[in-house]
Amino acid sequence: NAGVTQTPKFQVLKTGQSMTLQCAQDMNHNSMYWYRQDPGMGLRLIYYSASEGTTDKGEVPNGYNVSRLNKREFSLRLESAAPSQTSVYFCASSEDLAPSGGYTFGSGTRLTVV
Amino acid sequence: DAKTTQPPSMDCAEGRAANLPCNHSTISGNEYVYWYRQIHSQGPQYIIHGLKNNETNEMASLIITEDRKSSTLILPHATLRDTAVYYCIVRVAKAAGNKLTFGGGTRVLVKP
Repeated sequence: NAGVTQTPKFQVLKTGQSMTLQCAQDMNHNSMYWYRQDPGMGLRLIYYSASEGTTDKGEVPNGYNVSRLNKREFSLRLESAAPSQTSVYFCASSEDLAPSGGYTFGSGTRLTVV
Repeated sequence: DAKTTQPPSMDCAEGRAANLPCNHSTISGNEYVYWYRQIHSQGPQYIIHGLKNNETNEMASLIITEDRKSSTLILPHATLRDTAVYYCIVRVAKAAGNKLTFGGGTRVLVKP
């Protein structure tokens, strides 16, 4: 049971480069999320997708775009990376209605922008 | 979603119970209390949640006060592997997107 899979696990970018972080879940969850976590801080929501075909901004969406490719996959794109985007990025998924259980998180992508 | 207040850190002896407090005095009637933990360098892990009744599962127990303004997460027999940051979160369960908002959490260090 893979849960939530994120790729890549590590990435170093130069300022101005672009890249896409991939996330896939195999739990048939409707909702998916992207968070970032800066050193010593809690997680902050970047974007989320309540269901296939919908996306919405979270707390810190600037500098990012997302695509809900299908029910399984939710990608995060940095069009022009900046050093301020150096962070650990976590993808998560959840059932959309039932309160039972919680979010399932991936293991994270550690991104450094130099 | 209501905000929560947790102590920034606490120590616990291995094998003893760890009691983690959380204050959520502005919680609304339809908001649940959720607990997650994050072990170093890993993604957060769901522990338990509840509305107003006390809850128990294989990982922990959740005690919610009658007025729901505070709660306590209990790890009954802490092990070294329970060293982590523990997050208390309150949210409306059926809200669009079921968004979680993480605060600073409590950094728990389990000592031998």
